[in-house]
This record gives sequence, C-alpha cells and structure tokens, in this order.
Amino acid sequence: TQLLEQSPQFLSIQEGENLTVYCNSSSVFSSLQWYRQEPGEGPVLLVTVVTGGEVKKLKRLTFQFGDARKDSSLHITAAQPGDTGLYLCAGALRTSYDKVIFGPGTSLSVIP
Amino acid sequence: NAGVMQNPRHLVRRRGQEARLRCSPMKGHSHVYWYRQLPEEGLKFMVYLQKENIIDESGMPKERFSAEFPKEGPSILRIQQVVRGDSAAYFCASSQGSGANVLTFGAGSRLTVL
Repeated sequence: TQLLEQSPQFLSIQEGENLTVYCNSSSVFSSLQWYRQEPGEGPVLLVTVVTGGEVKKLKRLTFQFGDARKDSSLHITAAQPGDTGLYLCAGALRTSYDKVIFGPGTSLSVIP
Repeated sequence: NAGVMQNPRHLVRRRGQEARLRCSPMKGHSHVYWYRQLPEEGLKFMVYLQKENIIDESGMPKERFSAEFPKEGPSILRIQQVVRGDSAAYFCASSQGSGANVLTFGAGSRLTVL
C-alpha cells in the first residue's frame, strides 16, 4: 500500500518553463519534507513544512503544505537544467516517533 | 565535519553469499534509519535504530535481514543468503533526535546480486 502518491511520475520540460509536482495522501502528517536526489547519490533535504497551509520559498522553488496536512506541492519557476533530478516527498507519521515514509518520486528532466 | 558515511559504495555478491553494509552516522547523531530503493522508485523504510536498540523493524523482511547499531562502531545492515531480488540501493540516514526534521542521508550502498 502506497501511503504517499506523487504526480507526475516523469516530467520533461524546456528550460524556462514552470512546473508543479504534487504529493498526496489520505494520512495526516506531523510534517512533510521535500528531497532532491541525483543519480548515484543520497537524497538531500530541500525543505520541511510543519503547519497546515504553510508556504515556504527557496529561490525559484515554492513549497506548500495542505491545510489538512495530507498533501503538498512543489512549484518551480523558470526551470533550469540544474533542477534536473528525482524529487521525493516524505511525510512524518506520528507514531511513537516521527516515522518518515517516502513517495515514489517525480523524475524531472529540464532540457536546455 | 563529515556527513553520514556508508561503505561499501558498491558491492557485488553471488546468490547465497552474505552482504554487510555499514553506516557511520553524523557526529553527535545517535539515531539511524535504513531505507531501500529500487530503480526509479522512492525509498522504502526498513528499520530504525538507536544505540544498542532496535526501535522499529517493521520494514525489514522477516528472514535473512538483520540490523544492529552497537555502542561502539557503525550500524550494520546484514543480508544473509542474498538473492537477485535483494539487488538495490540501501541508504542510511541519521538524526540527532527522533524528530523528522533533520534526517541526513548517506550516499548509499549499491548491492548487485549475480
């Protein structure tokens, strides 16, 4: 059972275009994180959102946490080839500890 | 200030052999998590350990897989009698506490079973 869904799974766009990646679940998370992973490397944390409705900006990246803390989006403005990579959303389930589970990822390719 | 160190980075084993993957957490981190990743997929949780304790092993296969985090030394993920389906990238992450906000990942160990 996939607790976290991501869409689209694959995305190929031209440099300069905008894009949005979605992360959805039926579960409520205490926090949600976005990671970027490059081939042959481990995921690198981009941002953590904690409060429902929270919006965070990181240069050309905008992250939003849904009001009900079940979903999130990542918007990239004016994509650049350096943005190419696998974007993973991860939710922290409040159990006896913050158990982090990952979505399947969105593979982004930005063509020069 | 080294990050999370994993070794080996690449490991090739024949079916039936044992694989041992090591993870040294960041300095000052006492919580270790292991995840498995298949090509083009996200990370699947395997196990969460603190020093000398397994806290959550709900993602570990019931047989052949074990993990430890001794008082001294790195965390070890051990796979006995490997099969081709064990071929994957295994990632370790560490944190200072049990909160999710500061998971730092290593570069992974890529296991290939021939």
